[in-house]
Amino acid sequence: GAVVSQHPSRVICKSGTSVKIECRSLDFQATTMFWYRQFPKQSLMLMATSNEGSKATYEQGVEKDKFLINHASLTLSTLTVTSAHPEDSSFYICSARGTKLADYEQYFGPGTRLTVT
Amino acid sequence: DAKTTQPPSMDCAEGRAANLPCNHSTISGNEYVYWYRQIHSQGPQYIIHGLKNNETNEMASLIITEDRKSSTLILPHATLRDTAVYYCIVSPGTASKLTFGTGTRLQVTL
Repeated sequence: GAVVSQHPSRVICKSGTSVKIECRSLDFQATTMFWYRQFPKQSLMLMATSNEGSKATYEQGVEKDKFLINHASLTLSTLTVTSAHPEDSSFYICSARGTKLADYEQYFGPGTRLTVT
Repeated sequence: DAKTTQPPSMDCAEGRAANLPCNHSTISGNEYVYWYRQIHSQGPQYIIHGLKNNETNEMASLIITEDRKSSTLILPHATLRDTAVYYCIVSPGTASKLTFGTGTRLQVTL
């Protein structure tokens, strides 16, 4: 299957700082990328959907000014958590769909664990 | 999107078949049934999906009832590496976003 990577895998930052998480499709062009958040012992919650070259569509309750998503190329999407606070500590996971993949195929990255102190 | 109901946890002995049920009684005619799994602290992994017919691939089999209100994921010979949370998801069309429920935590034991 296709490969999606995330960087960094773990990050610790201080409260009030911003953190950028990268999501890359390594062997296909990702026309659509999704960002999820997962708190301990909970399920994945979709945060936003981004299409290459377009503004992201955020799910209800997700602050778009706090979670900035950029999908400027067909292989890279970034999520920036601005002015992070301890309650933003979570496991962030991206996934991607691509033009040369079957419609049902959606590949997930390994996740990024964010800890805000 | 249609909601799904799965048992919170199941145990299975290694080498035996693991049968994971899912109820989706409000599924619409154009909604597919997807199964993903998530091994601890990793991203979800696609297993299989189907619309009406039963499906089989190298990982698992998917049995969908005739009325499509429920389905069963079958791992024919479970191994310890199959220990994970298994998510049953219904989604309209094949290119739509996936909404994850609470899933079933499968523990495979020796």
